[in-house]
Amino acid sequence: QQPVQSPQAVILREGEDAVINCSSSKALYSVHWYRQKHGEAPVFLMILLKGGEQMRHEKISASFNEKKQQSSLYLTASQLSYSGTYFCGTEKSSGNTPLVFGKGTRLSVIA
Amino acid sequence: SAVISQKPSRDICQRGTSLTIQCQVDSQVTMMFWYRQQPGQSLTLIATANQGSEATYESGFVIDKFPISRPNLTFSTLTVSNMSPEDSSIYLCSVKGGGVNEQFFGPGTRLTVL
Repeated sequence: QQPVQSPQAVILREGEDAVINCSSSKALYSVHWYRQKHGEAPVFLMILLKGGEQMRHEKISASFNEKKQQSSLYLTASQLSYSGTYFCGTEKSSGNTPLVFGKGTRLSVIA
Repeated sequence: SAVISQKPSRDICQRGTSLTIQCQVDSQVTMMFWYRQQPGQSLTLIATANQGSEATYESGFVIDKFPISRPNLTFSTLTVSNMSPEDSSIYLCSVKGGGVNEQFFGPGTRLTVL
C-alpha cells in the first residue's frame, strides 16, 4: 500500500519553514525519509521507528504518530541546499522487508 | 552505512536487446532490492534479490523480463530483457541489513532505450 504524501510541491524562500506529511491506511512499523536531488540517487535522512523518539538531521526533524499512521517532516529555516524531492518510505513490519515509497514532495528553496 | 556501486552508470540500448546491471556492496548485507524510477516518478520495487534462491517479484514484474541473480551477500545483478522504449528508467540497487534497519541506495543506472 503506497503511502500518501502532501503537499505534492512547495516553494519556500530561504529561512522559511515547511512541513511534509506522509500517511498510510495500514499500521506501520517504521517510516524512512529520503531526499533526492535531480540526477542523483535518494539519500537517507532519518528513520522513525514505532515507539521511538522524534529524530533530527541538521535542521530537519521528523515525528511519527503511530495511532494516526502518519509521519511529518519539519524543515526549519530552510536553506538552498534543501531543494529536492522528499520521499517517505514505509515498512509494515520489522525485519528485512523493502520500503514502499510515496509519490514524493518537490521542495524548491529560492533566495 | 554500506557503500554501494553500480555498473554501468548509464547506457543507451537498442530495442530488443538486453542489459545486465551489476550491484556491488562493500560489506555483507541481509537484503538486496531492485527499484525502478521512471522520469519524474517515485521509486517502484521490482523485486527482492534472495541469495541462493529465486528472486521475489512484485506485482507487474516477471522473471522472464527482469531476471535477477544474487550469488552471495555482497553482489547482485538485474537484467532488463528484450528492451523497449518503455523500459527507459533509472534502475536502483538498494540494501538493508547488517544490524541496522536503514535502507540505502546505490547511485543508479540510467537506461535509455531507443
